[in-house]
Amino acid sequence: SQTIHQWPATLVQPVGSPLSLECTVEGTSNPNLYWYRQAAGRGLQLLFYSVGIGQISSEVPQNLSASRPQDRQFILSSKKLLLSDSGFYLCAWSAGTYEQYFGPGTRLTVT
Amino acid sequence: GQQVMQIPQYQHVQEGEDFTTYCNSSTTLSNIQWYKQRPGGHPVFLIQLVKSGEVKKQKRLTFQFGEAKKNSSLHITATQTTDVGTYFCAFRAGAQKLVFGQGTRLTINP
Repeated sequence: SQTIHQWPATLVQPVGSPLSLECTVEGTSNPNLYWYRQAAGRGLQLLFYSVGIGQISSEVPQNLSASRPQDRQFILSSKKLLLSDSGFYLCAWSAGTYEQYFGPGTRLTVT
Repeated sequence: GQQVMQIPQYQHVQEGEDFTTYCNSSTTLSNIQWYKQRPGGHPVFLIQLVKSGEVKKQKRLTFQFGEAKKNSSLHITATQTTDVGTYFCAFRAGAQKLVFGQGTRLTINP
């Protein structure tokens, strides 16, 4: 069966520091991969998605970037965090155009 | 871009009461998906509807897709405390993306 991992679970970072969040999927090949951000009590904002290695589509211009160095690995990065980057970051995968399966998420607090 | 409006934003019920959340679009949708997010958790896929007028049931949950494929509803009969959470509808926008509604947050008084 397929599983999706995200780490770390929680993170507290100072403003201006770099960020690297990692997501890996097991049990499937060539998944579509997604990064979402969810502000407290709010909906899901799609940040990036990828349909293959090295293919990244950006949905919202900001100081974040994403990379997919391997088929089942998706990384979210920032060179300098802003206070507004705080939130709940969720990685998800799907097999083509079907339902999405979410990882446990990373709670990021920028101080 | 294309969006869906979910109403209500919040709903508080007594345990045992029914609950309904609605998802409305101004344009025709190819499909609609529903997800549930428990407090502190991540969204979990519940169901997908693709046909006009489609109705699907999962135990106490009834999902409906409108005849014009512009709206959908999720109805929970006789709520239980395990139903607490935020319910999101989502539709496919383009080949690979989902667009999520803002969600309806359900709280229950035991």
